[in-house]
Amino acid sequence: AQSVTQLGSHVSVSEGALVLLRCNYSSSVPPYLFWYVQYPNQGLQLLLKYTTGATLVKGINGFEAEFKKSETSFHLTKPSAHMSDAAEYFCAVTDNAGGTSYGKLTFGQGTILTVHP
Amino acid sequence: GAGVSQSPSNKVTEKGKDVELRCDPISGHTALYWYRQSLGQGLEFLIYFQGNSAPDKSGLPSDRFSAERTGGSVSTLTIQRTQQEDSAVYLCASSLIAGKVVYEQYFGPGTRLTVT
Repeated sequence: AQSVTQLGSHVSVSEGALVLLRCNYSSSVPPYLFWYVQYPNQGLQLLLKYTTGATLVKGINGFEAEFKKSETSFHLTKPSAHMSDAAEYFCAVTDNAGGTSYGKLTFGQGTILTVHP
Repeated sequence: GAGVSQSPSNKVTEKGKDVELRCDPISGHTALYWYRQSLGQGLEFLIYFQGNSAPDKSGLPSDRFSAERTGGSVSTLTIQRTQQEDSAVYLCASSLIAGKVVYEQYFGPGTRLTVT
């Protein structure tokens, strides 16, 4: 069974500061990893994904994440926070080894990012 | 192009009533997923449809929940005899699956269900 742990349900940063949102996963097979963002009263929007290849992936809005297999981590970072980054962020994993649940996402509990002026 | 759409956007119902939630996936997407987002449980997988294969219903919380997908496109999630714990946002997503490659899921805006 897969699981995703996001450390910190709330993260607060100042505008211009580094954003670091932590995600650790457990999976019995090589996973695909995703970060989604959710703005209030909206659905989920994909920020970035790791499937295969380069372990540092870049996404939209200046975010990036690095897949570290040895640490089973996929932390999300952004060098300089903007007020518009305030939202809830979800890390997710899917088992892509095949089978009937192909592509089903398992989500972390989410991290609410607050950006102070 | 058009994204995933869901209707209604909000639904208030009395305990014990049945409700139907609708999802229109992106045209051409063969895979369709339902998830539930609630304060206590976070984001949970409910059910998954892929082409003509039997759906994966492993996430449905009880037999009061059912879903169908007609013609490989529109899907309806039905909750019978609603309970207060069913109050949540129900999210639908669709994706392309080509061979063994799974592409990212695109989510709809959700239906907020409130059971009074």
